[in-house]
Amino acid sequence: AQSVTQLDSHVSVSEGTPVLLRCNYSSSYSPSLFWYVQHPNKGLQLLLKYTSAATLVKGINGFEAEFKKSETSFHLTKPSAHMSDAAEYFCVVSLNRDDKIIFGKGTRLHILP
Amino acid sequence: DTGVSQNPRHKITKRGQNVTFRCDPISEHNRLYWYRQTLGQGPEFLTYFQNEAQLEKSRLLSDRFSAERPKGSFSTLEIQRTEQGDSAMYLCASSRDRGHGYTFGSGTRLTVV
Repeated sequence: AQSVTQLDSHVSVSEGTPVLLRCNYSSSYSPSLFWYVQHPNKGLQLLLKYTSAATLVKGINGFEAEFKKSETSFHLTKPSAHMSDAAEYFCVVSLNRDDKIIFGKGTRLHILP
Repeated sequence: DTGVSQNPRHKITKRGQNVTFRCDPISEHNRLYWYRQTLGQGPEFLTYFQNEAQLEKSRLLSDRFSAERPKGSFSTLEIQRTEQGDSAMYLCASSRDRGHGYTFGSGTRLTVV
């Protein structure tokens, strides 16, 4: 069975400092991995995706994620946080042999002025 | 590309009533998904279609729930005899192909009183 675990339900960082949102996945097959962001009262927006090409994936708004098979991780990072980054972030896994995507429980990112 | 459109945005209904939601996917996307999101949780998979065929249904989709995609374009999700536990955000997503990422609509927020 496939699953995804987001290790922190809340993360607080100061504006201008690095962001790290952690995600571990479990999959018996080669997964596709995604990060989505959800701002309050807004829809889910795709930040970036990994689909077995380069292990370091660059996304929108300066976010990156690195696929580490040995650690079964897909952590999301950003060098310098901006106030507009405050939102809920979801790590998502999809089996390449299946179309269903599974969401983590989410990490709420708070940006301190 | 006008995105994924969901209607209505909000629905308040009395317990025991039936409700129907509509999703219009991106026109060239042949895959359509329904998810449910409750407060503080990540979206949970309900069902998905490839064209007009419903290929998988979650155990969360009780016999009070039914989804259709009659012509492989828009989809409807009906909930019969609503219960307070059905209160949630119902999200629709579409994708062109496996692993390409999923475009989500803004959702329909259902409140059962």
